[in-house]
Amino acid sequence: EIVLTQSPGTLSLSPGERATLSCRASQSVSNYLAWYQQKPGQAPRLVIYGASSRATGIPDRFSGSGSGTDFTLTISRLEPEDFAVYYCQQYDYTPPATFGQGTKLEIK
Amino acid sequence: QVHLVESGGGVVQPGGSLRLSCVASGFSFRTYGMHWLRQAPGKGLEWVAFTRFDGSNKYYADSVMGRLTISRDNSRNTLYLEMSSLRDEDTAVYYCAKASSGYSSSWYLFDYWGQGTLVTVSS
Repeated sequence: EIVLTQSPGTLSLSPGERATLSCRASQSVSNYLAWYQQKPGQAPRLVIYGASSRATGIPDRFSGSGSGTDFTLTISRLEPEDFAVYYCQQYDYTPPATFGQGTKLEIK
Repeated sequence: QVHLVESGGGVVQPGGSLRLSCVASGFSFRTYGMHWLRQAPGKGLEWVAFTRFDGSNKYYADSVMGRLTISRDNSRNTLYLEMSSLRDEDTAVYYCAKASSGYSSSWYLFDYWGQGTLVTVSS
């Protein structure tokens, strides 16, 4: 089973700042890496797939990069609605699909 | 517009049973694989089970193998999760999710999720 480790656990930033979230896989997952956003009381929402492709309706301030074992989600200029928990997920070695433990992006 | 609506959650005693449903609309349900995932209170996301578009193949997480059963009725656009021998650790919000495409490389990419239904296992 692939283990995904996200860092940091919590990221405190202000609106307008740049956010950089990391995800590391225990072995290569090629580019089969997705990012999801989850707000309190809501279902997760797909943000990035294929490591760098934005999902439908996702604004271009969100970008993903990386391949193999190291991946990054970048939000270029934080908007108030971007503060949430973000999970990475690999879909290369399945089943099972596995998720990271999450990064909470909070308002500073 | 894709819409997934789960129902059937509730409080059940340890060892008990429950059936969850997920009604799908806004896409051709019969041509996509479907998943159940769950999230324990205050915890992260866990994949639970997957069924291919026609129900021919089903896959489960080790933690639920033999106790939870995924199925689907394509004539009713509905996905099910039969839950038995429930344990305290099965307490979670259960989400149904759509596989993003029919290609095997994307079977486990979840492009749409329902709002979830809460299952609480407690005596």
